[in-house]
Amino acid sequence: DAGVTQSPTHLIKTRGQQVTLRCSPISGHKSVSWYQQVLGQGPQFIFQYYEKEERGRGNFPDRFSARQFPNYSSELNVNALLLGDSALYLCASSPRTGEVTEAFFGQGTRLTVV
Amino acid sequence: RKEVEQDPGPFNVPEGATVAFNCTYSNSASQSFFWYRQDCRKEPKLLMSVYSSGNEDGRFTAQLNRASQYISLLIRDSKLSDSATYLCVVNGGSSYKLIFGSGTRLLVRP
Repeated sequence: DAGVTQSPTHLIKTRGQQVTLRCSPISGHKSVSWYQQVLGQGPQFIFQYYEKEERGRGNFPDRFSARQFPNYSSELNVNALLLGDSALYLCASSPRTGEVTEAFFGQGTRLTVV
Repeated sequence: RKEVEQDPGPFNVPEGATVAFNCTYSNSASQSFFWYRQDCRKEPKLLMSVYSSGNEDGRFTAQLNRASQYISLLIRDSKLSDSATYLCVVNGGSSYKLIFGSGTRLLVRP
């Protein structure tokens, strides 16, 4: 079975632009979470979606938004990009939300804002 | 205070050594605990879940002390391939998010 897949793998954008990142979870997994990882830090939680509904949001500005589709894939959108948005964006897939929260990560999208 | 704190290292050890990493967490409501491994410029990969009774997987042993809000990872007989950053992870009290420490870097030398 395929693992979590993310696209694109690398992206360069200019300040002020908008970006959309995509994620397909492991087959059968209904929960998708997004994390931002800047160099030297652990991943920081952005969003979780389960059954197409937002179940949680981290401490990120409204420029960040996401959605989940009927096939459980997900998109993360970031508007009005800032230099500080440069990071590795990770998508994590889990079988469900609830007490078991181990997550399996995709290879990430490395976003560079110039 | 960070929600999950780890010694950043690096821990530089010879092959065959035993090395231990520690982690503390601040949210006493956390229910799930994990160690992830992350290689340079790669995604985190689940190493093991951590259970209250402690658990072992080959050369790796994890312990949890809820009273002290402390998690540990012991690696025995270190291999060169163990060189990576080890991330301590707890759930955020509610089930929907994982909180990561900044990681402890391990370098295993020949």
